[in-house]
Amino acid sequence: NAGVTQTPKFRILKIGQSMTLQCTQDMNHNYMYWYRQDPGMGLKLIYYSVGAGITDKGEVPNGYNVSRSTTEDFPLRLELAAPSQTSVYFCASSSLRRALSSYNEQFFGPGTRLTVL
Amino acid sequence: AQTVTQSQPEMSVQEAETVTLSCTYDTSESDYYLFWYKQPPSRQMILVIRQEAYKQQNATENRFSVNFQKAAKSFSLKISDSQLGDAAMYFCAYRSYRETSGSRLTFGEGTQLTVNP
Repeated sequence: NAGVTQTPKFRILKIGQSMTLQCTQDMNHNYMYWYRQDPGMGLKLIYYSVGAGITDKGEVPNGYNVSRSTTEDFPLRLELAAPSQTSVYFCASSSLRRALSSYNEQFFGPGTRLTVL
Repeated sequence: AQTVTQSQPEMSVQEAETVTLSCTYDTSESDYYLFWYKQPPSRQMILVIRQEAYKQQNATENRFSVNFQKAAKSFSLKISDSQLGDAAMYFCAYRSYRETSGSRLTFGEGTQLTVNP
């Protein structure tokens, strides 16, 4: 069980370039999330998905796009990279909460460090 | 919208001593979860402890305990018998009890904890 995996681990982009950050989970989780962490700051939600084919915006969605064609994969797309997108990106997943009394932990990937120059 | 505030950007403690990290939050909801996450230099997000708002008893996990004051909207983390391995960035986080937006987390800005030998 690999959990949540992210690729690449590091990437340097030039302004205006595009790239896709990959995220895969093997726990059959319905929920998936993308967060960004700016230096010395907490994580902020970019986009999330409650299931295949369903995505929604978080706090800071501008400049990003997502898709969720399968339960396992939740890629994050940067179309026109800007220096403001220099950050560490975390993907996470969690299961549905089956009952009010149960708890569904959110599992995080190792992060992708992105620098835009 | 919910907000989470950590007013201590940095804290330090002597090995084997006790330290308390502060967190306050704002919400109009009555049911929710609160968490403390640890982020060591590896960047991996590690869940330290969680508290359900409907439980009056403070959560404990070995050397980690919380002081949950629901009326004051305060949620502090106490680390007893501090160890060198406790050195990390600590994040307080909030999650709604409802699943209308998945199980998304709202994070504070973080507190960098240094443990001195």
